[in-house]
Amino acid sequence: DGGITQSPKYLFRKEGQNVTLSCEQNLNHDAMYWYRQDPGQGLRLIYYSQIVNDFQKGDIAEGYSVSREKKESFPLTVTSAQKNPTAFYLCASSMAWGGGQPEAFFGQGTRLTVV
Amino acid sequence: GNSVTQMEGPVTLSEEAFLTINCTYTATGYPSLFWYVQYPGEGLQLLLKATKADDKGSNKGFEATYRKETTSFHLEKGSVQVSDSAVYFCALSSSMYSGGGADGLTFGKGTHLIIQP
Repeated sequence: DGGITQSPKYLFRKEGQNVTLSCEQNLNHDAMYWYRQDPGQGLRLIYYSQIVNDFQKGDIAEGYSVSREKKESFPLTVTSAQKNPTAFYLCASSMAWGGGQPEAFFGQGTRLTVV
Repeated sequence: GNSVTQMEGPVTLSEEAFLTINCTYTATGYPSLFWYVQYPGEGLQLLLKATKADDKGSNKGFEATYRKETTSFHLEKGSVQVSDSAVYFCALSSSMYSGGGADGLTFGKGTHLIIQP
């Protein structure tokens, strides 16, 4: 089945550690996105990528980093510079911008908790 | 810039009641409009979409009509069930032909719907 897989589902991080969240898709989508979800705040865009080896900062990129070395993969690293990383992280993908099907498809999310 | 405004709730209804969740938007040109649903602890699932004015999206008994004159995309269902309890997000995607950006969807803050038996 085609879809987006995020792993792990739950992740615990100690203060000062970097952690990497995995996102893989087999939908042959060019575009991929990372969102952060906090209670009462909806979804906020962290980073997005429209093509391999290129990505752009979203609204809340500080303290995060990404890479896009393969079309299928878009990992997100939460660095120690992110002061409040506890949140639910959602990865999404879509066809290329202007490709006629603008809807995004989401993974099941990763819940990150700082301990 | 783009924005989406929706009632935040929680909205509490009895089973078989009529549902309306309001959504209005601000965007340049002709965006595509969406409703997504999120069940507890899960990601977002696309519920329905409309890509041009006067289009009606529908799925699983839910409907929404793209009203450009009122910049609205209200979600409706005639008879809700307990299984409809979830958080509902209204979203838009700008068209590249109207100068929109390539940064994906703009979401409202979500409406928490609770259906009581």
